[in-house]
Amino acid sequence: EAGVAQSPRYKIIEKRQSVAFWCNPISGHATLYWYQQILGQGPKLLIQFQNNGVVDDSQLPKDRFSAERLKGVDSTLKIQPAKLEDSAVYLCASSLESGIGGTRLYEQYFGPGTRLTVT
Amino acid sequence: DAKTTQPNSMESNEEEPVHLPCNHSTISGTDYIHWYRQLPSQGPEYVIHGLTSNVNNRMASLAIAEDRKSSTLILHRATLRDAAVYYCIPRFLYTNDMRFGAGTRLTVKP
Repeated sequence: EAGVAQSPRYKIIEKRQSVAFWCNPISGHATLYWYQQILGQGPKLLIQFQNNGVVDDSQLPKDRFSAERLKGVDSTLKIQPAKLEDSAVYLCASSLESGIGGTRLYEQYFGPGTRLTVT
Repeated sequence: DAKTTQPNSMESNEEEPVHLPCNHSTISGTDYIHWYRQLPSQGPEYVIHGLTSNVNNRMASLAIAEDRKSSTLILHRATLRDAAVYYCIPRFLYTNDMRFGAGTRLTVKP
């Protein structure tokens, strides 16, 4: 089966510019995640969607970051305006379910990420 | 959230076993222990998970201490393709909230 697709793979922008990332999860996966991974650190969850609703966005800097998941499939993550400290790899992941309220634990499948450089 | 402590880096020789330790002394009784790994220039991938009993799959084995305060990921015969950052993640049973630490960077020497 096809994996999680992300585009673009690389992006270079100047500070204060805007940028958007796109993610297409594995078909049938209800839950979608966006992570930020700064060089030398582990990924940090930014936002989690269950179908097209937000489950957790507590670590999303809402003054500049926004995300949406239209029709419960594809998702976009936007940064406006970008700061130097936003330079990172942005990873999208998906899983069958969120596991909330259930007893099954669903593996998360990650895409290759988008490497953002803000100059 | 349970905190984890892993070595920053480890080295292994090809075709030898590797034991990657993780301390999670604040883990709760309902946290599963997950391991993911991240190959260079790729997103993380699932390796294995367990609750109390030792677990085996085609990729690795997971040995969990009786008091659950530590665990060890075992790669039985390391290959060059196993060079990656390995993350140990306590994960609450009912959520998909995974808190990654810095992980252990495994280098495999030919």
